[in-house]
Amino acid sequence: AQSVSQHNHHVILSEAASLELGCNYSYGGTVNLFWYVQYPGQHLQLLLKYFSGDPLVKGIKGFEAEFIKSKFSFNLRKPSVQWSDTAEYFCAVNARSSNTGKLIFGQGTTLQVKP
Amino acid sequence: NAGVTQTPKFQVLKTGQSMTLQCAQDMNHEYMSWYRQDPGMGLRLIHYSVGAGITDQGEVPNGYNVSRSTTEDFPLRLLSAAPSQTSVYFCASSRDRISYEQYFGPGTRLTVT
Repeated sequence: AQSVSQHNHHVILSEAASLELGCNYSYGGTVNLFWYVQYPGQHLQLLLKYFSGDPLVKGIKGFEAEFIKSKFSFNLRKPSVQWSDTAEYFCAVNARSSNTGKLIFGQGTTLQVKP
Repeated sequence: NAGVTQTPKFQVLKTGQSMTLQCAQDMNHEYMSWYRQDPGMGLRLIHYSVGAGITDQGEVPNGYNVSRSTTEDFPLRLLSAAPSQTSVYFCASSRDRISYEQYFGPGTRLTVT
């Protein structure tokens, strides 16, 4: 069965610090990869996605992620975080062969940015 | 467009009661799904639908029923609520199975006592 693991459950950073959130998945076939963000009191929004092509993908608000197929990883990065980045971040995977659009989510990482 | 809407926003039920969580989308999306979000467990798929009249189970379907009589609506029914169903429920939709970019509703916070 597919699974997604996010290594950091709670991250605390100061403004302007760099961010990297880890995401690993277990599935041997072709996958689509996503990062979603949930700001306090709001619903999930898509940050970025990878379907194919350049493994370095750029999303909204200065976020980027790199797909490393050999490591089954899709880590999220941002060079300089802001207080407004305080949120919960979810990595999600879809097995392309399933043809159902089903997303499997990681446990989530809570990011707290101190001003 | 309103996007994905969910009602109610909050609900408290007693054990054994039944209720329906409503979800609607006005984007003519083919694919709709229900997730529950629990602390430390991320989002888990309850049921999904790839089109009107077609539904299937996700990871945690027990205790929940769905139907999809129209493209727009995808209600989630709790048949006999249990405290283990206390959670935040999110409905999501996407244009089709291929696009995979899902749009989420604002959520329903359900407490079962």
